[in-house]
Amino acid sequence: DVKVTQSSRYLVKRTGEKVFLECVQDMDHENMFWYRQDPGLGLRLIYFSYDVKMKEKGDIPEGYSVSREKKERFSLILESASTNQTSMYLCASSFGPKGTEAFFGQGTRLTVV
Amino acid sequence: QKEVEQNSGPLSVPEGAIASLNCTYSDRGSQSFFWYRQYSGKSPELIMSIYSNGDKEDGRFTAQLNKASQYVSLLIRDSQPSDSATYLCAVINYKLIFGSGTRLLVRP
Repeated sequence: DVKVTQSSRYLVKRTGEKVFLECVQDMDHENMFWYRQDPGLGLRLIYFSYDVKMKEKGDIPEGYSVSREKKERFSLILESASTNQTSMYLCASSFGPKGTEAFFGQGTRLTVV
Repeated sequence: QKEVEQNSGPLSVPEGAIASLNCTYSDRGSQSFFWYRQYSGKSPELIMSIYSNGDKEDGRFTAQLNKASQYVSLLIRDSQPSDSATYLCAVINYKLIFGSGTRLLVRP
């Protein structure tokens, strides 16, 4: 079974803090994705990566950055957390040059106070 | 125009009926199409993938793709209360994009 693991299930951070969300997959997938999910807005793509050290902006990259130093790990960084970044964050991974089915981690519910 | 559009619902059907969920997409270059199911508070779970025009069946689920009309659908036969969830349509056109989901309610 594909396993995508996010480092925290729940996280509470203060405004202005630098926040790291970690995602690890164990299936040697090339592609990894970070989404945020808000009520009524669905899943919105923040960043994605098709290979180690590669990154591409998604639809809402502002206020975020990513790091992929190893194939199995994709980190999402909130440089200076703000209350409007309170959300559910979901990591996913998939196999292949442009991706096939994507498998999700359990999600991180981030609250910025 | 959103890249992937779905009716938000809720779509309410009686137990045992066929539930029909629809999705349209804007990019004609889209290559791969997926349906995910998401229960409240949980992560999306893949239930169907379809890559070419026509129908694809898997148990009670049938995915239909019409690239000319830029339309993907999911049929759930013999709907069960446990099928009550939000169903997300996803499309790959270089990046993996999701619709906002349709909430399905199956009444016992």
